[in-house]
Amino acid sequence: AQKITQTQPGMFVQEKEAVTLDCTYDTSDPSYGLFWYKQPSSGEMIFLIYQGSYDQQNATEGRYSLNFQKARKSANLVISASQLGDSAMYFCAMREVGSGGGADGLTFGKGTHLIIQP
Amino acid sequence: GAGVSQTPSNKVTEKGKYVELRCDPISGHTALYWYRQSLGQGPEFLIYFQGTGAADDSGLPNDRFFAVRPEGSVSTLKIQRTERGDSAVYLCASSLIAGGQIDTQYFGPGTRLTVL
Repeated sequence: AQKITQTQPGMFVQEKEAVTLDCTYDTSDPSYGLFWYKQPSSGEMIFLIYQGSYDQQNATEGRYSLNFQKARKSANLVISASQLGDSAMYFCAMREVGSGGGADGLTFGKGTHLIIQP
Repeated sequence: GAGVSQTPSNKVTEKGKYVELRCDPISGHTALYWYRQSLGQGPEFLIYFQGTGAADDSGLPNDRFFAVRPEGSVSTLKIQRTERGDSAVYLCASSLIAGGQIDTQYFGPGTRLTVL
């Protein structure tokens, strides 16, 4: 079974609109972290935002916020007031910590290709 | 400060040859990770170093792949007898802390390996 599922292969959004990128995850580990990364066409993975499984509040970083719904095992990324420069691939990733977890690296989803249109 | 650097940025080799890919992590970061990203996919974990030792190499696909980090800083990923299926972007990441804690991993620009 997929540990990280991103169901939107591609999205087109008008500039200045808000956009939500979906991510669901699967783990039996009570301690884990969820990350979102942006990968522009240049190829570098840019860290955007982090949410810990025990964090009580949803993470926010500037125009990025993470809609964390633990019971549903979802961690959607919300980008407010989208800009042309937001066009890129976006990856959701998870790191499990406990004994039931996987490898020490991040497990990534397949990504969502976001295109912001003027 | 300087981010994670990787060399070379591109490497073209022939099937059966040996290649080395280098990663220089952010200064002071104890944890170093290697990932492989095939076209249209998310990165896949290969190996993780805590200091000089490989703490988790469960992602290495077979014994043709090997990585070292002799002084706890720079790491080299080594691929023997390369195959066309090894063609991918190899990403390196580092984080400040390691072990049972979760810390943000910062990625380098990657090395694009093409095996002809």
